[in-house]
Amino acid sequence: EPEVTQTPSHQVTQMGQEVILRCVPISNHLYFYWYRQILGQKVEFLVSFYNNEISEKSEIFDDQFSVERPDGSNFTLKIRSTKLEDSAMYFCASSGNGNTEAFFGQGTRLTVV
Amino acid sequence: AQSVTQLGSHVSVSEGALVLLRCNYSSSVPPYLFWYVQYPNQGLQLLLKYTSAATLVKGINGFEAEFKKSETSFHLTKPSAHMSDAAEYFCAVSNQAGTALIFGKGTTLSVSS
Repeated sequence: EPEVTQTPSHQVTQMGQEVILRCVPISNHLYFYWYRQILGQKVEFLVSFYNNEISEKSEIFDDQFSVERPDGSNFTLKIRSTKLEDSAMYFCASSGNGNTEAFFGQGTRLTVV
Repeated sequence: AQSVTQLGSHVSVSEGALVLLRCNYSSSVPPYLFWYVQYPNQGLQLLLKYTSAATLVKGINGFEAEFKKSETSFHLTKPSAHMSDAAEYFCAVSNQAGTALIFGKGTTLSVSS
C-alpha cells in the first residue's frame, strides 16, 4: 500500500541552527502539506503546496519556514533558525487530485536544545 | 473560518462497551469531515470521512460516524470497544479537496479490561 515516508524520524538540533525535514509523498498525489503537533497539543496546519507553489499557509508559517519540492519525489520543510518553541512532531501529508482526505507520514520529532 | 470542538479530552470505557467520541464543527460552507486515529509514536491514520454523500459513514476497525447538519455534529461511535482501540482520536474539517485540515484538540480513548 502506498505511504508517505518521512526522514529522519527524530532530529535533535541546537537553537539557531537550520534543519531540513524530508518527505516522500505518495507518488501520484498532487497536494502536499506540512502540519506540526507540539507535545500534548492539537495538530496544526502549516502549509500546503500545489503545482510547485504554496497554495495556503497558516500564520505559524512565517519567514523562518520554507518548503521546496526539489525533484519529482521529495518535499522538504526548512526551518532557518530554530527556536526552542519549534520543538514538535512535524507531519507531512499528501492528497490526490479531487481526494479530500490527506494521508500522513509517521512524523519527524524535532527537538531543539 | 472553520473550527472543530471535541468534547472530552479523555474518554474511558470498558472492553465491550460502547464508544462515543464527540465532535462539533463550525463551517460557513458545506464541510468535509474526518476522523483520524493516532497510536502512540505513530502518524495519523484515516478512520473515516464524510464528503456530502451518505450521512452515516462507516470506517475501518468497526467505527462509524453520523453527520448531523442540524446539530453541526460528527460523532464517532463503535458498538463494542476493544483494547486495541486505545489511542488518540482527532476530528478534522476542511472545505474542499486540497485545502488545509483543521483539527480538534483530540480525545484520548482508554479501554480497560
